Amino acid sequence: AQSVTQPDIHITVSEGASLELRCNYSYGATPYLFWYVQSPGQGLQLLLKYFSGDTLVQGIKGFEAEFKRSQSSFNLRKPSVHWSDAAEYFCAVGFNDYKLSFGAGTTVTVRA
Amino acid sequence: NAGVTQTPKFQVLKTGQSMTLQCAQDMNHEYMSWYRQDPGMGLRLIHYSVGAGITDQGEVPNGYNVSRSTTEDFPLRLLSAAPSQTSVYFCASSYRGLSNEKLFFGSGTQLSVL
Repeated sequence: AQSVTQPDIHITVSEGASLELRCNYSYGATPYLFWYVQSPGQGLQLLLKYFSGDTLVQGIKGFEAEFKRSQSSFNLRKPSVHWSDAAEYFCAVGFNDYKLSFGAGTTVTVRA
Repeated sequence: NAGVTQTPKFQVLKTGQSMTLQCAQDMNHEYMSWYRQDPGMGLRLIHYSVGAGITDQGEVPNGYNVSRSTTEDFPLRLLSAAPSQTSVYFCASSYRGLSNEKLFFGSGTQLSVL
């Protein structure tokens, strides 16, 4: 069955430290891969996406993600976290052109 | 350019009541979709549409109806609300689909069913 897993429910990171959020999926082919961010009480904002080509993808707000086919993973990274990065992050996987499946989300807390 | 507009922002219903969540976009997008967001479960696709007159079920369609009579509007109907439908609902749209397209999300409707 197709599925999306975000293993970490909550991550706390110090301001200025690096951040890595994990995402794994289960699917027989390469799906469309996305990372979204949601601030409290807000809708979702697209950080980056991967469809094909270079497996290291750059996004907005200094985020990047790397697609690893052998591990069925699409982990999100940021070298230096800012307090404004505190939010909930969702990995999303499109197994076809119309159905998007989301992971359960990872809440990021940034401490001063 | 308003993007994706959802109304209402908040709604409280009693069990068994019916209501329609409205979603409108002004970007001439063919693809529109409805998601519900529940704590610890991320967003789950309810229904989607690839154009006027064309709708299909997502992951959790039971208890919800949709129709797409115009390109701009994609209302979500709850015919007989149940407490299990208490959730935050998001509408999203894109020009065609997911491939090479960005999904635009509305700001959400918070629904409580008592």
